[in-house]
Amino acid sequence: GENVEQHPSTLSVQEGDSAVIKCTYSDSASNYFPWYKQELGKGPQLIIDIRSNVGEKKDQRIAVTLNKTAKHFSLHITETQPEDSAVYFCAAGNNNDMRFGAGTRLTVKP
Amino acid sequence: ETGVTQTPRHLVMGMTNKKSLKCEQHLGHNAMYWYKQSAKKPLELMFVYSLEERVENNSVPSRFSPECPNSSHLFLHLHTLQPEDSALYLCASSQDHSFLNTGELFFGEGSRLTVL
Repeated sequence: GENVEQHPSTLSVQEGDSAVIKCTYSDSASNYFPWYKQELGKGPQLIIDIRSNVGEKKDQRIAVTLNKTAKHFSLHITETQPEDSAVYFCAAGNNNDMRFGAGTRLTVKP
Repeated sequence: ETGVTQTPRHLVMGMTNKKSLKCEQHLGHNAMYWYKQSAKKPLELMFVYSLEERVENNSVPSRFSPECPNSSHLFLHLHTLQPEDSALYLCASSQDHSFLNTGELFFGEGSRLTVL
């Protein structure tokens, strides 16, 4: 089955700096890679996703890159703001199976 | 009203108690899920229902019993739990049970369970 590793587990950046979170996966059949943001006391919410037919996707200050050969994908947040502080989860999925990483707690210091 | 609503938000129970968690989705989705979230661990998929039929049970102990009476409601019945079952239990829904098609899961805010 699929196994997803996520790094780092915690990340602290200064407001305005960039943040990068990396994930690796094991199942070469995985073709859907979403990222979820979980704020304190809330459930996870999808912020961006990418499918295996593209290598990069961008939505305003967030972008995701995918390297299928190396089986890793990354989340990039530019010009970070205090409201970006949350736990971020990556996931890798195929058909009816999806596995999550253990999460990264991002703190943006004003 | 939020898309996926879970009650109660917090629950404390003894190991001999019987309690239930409730989830309701107002999105017209066909699939519903229970996930367990423990600190510093990946989200663990417990059960999947598609069109009110259970399609997945990930080796979950029988002390957890799901029920899906219709496509909008999902329950998790709890009986003789252990302290290690303490966690945040998240309900989610999706348009269909196929990550290939849409992928997006809509989560509730969770029920924080403490077993004494």
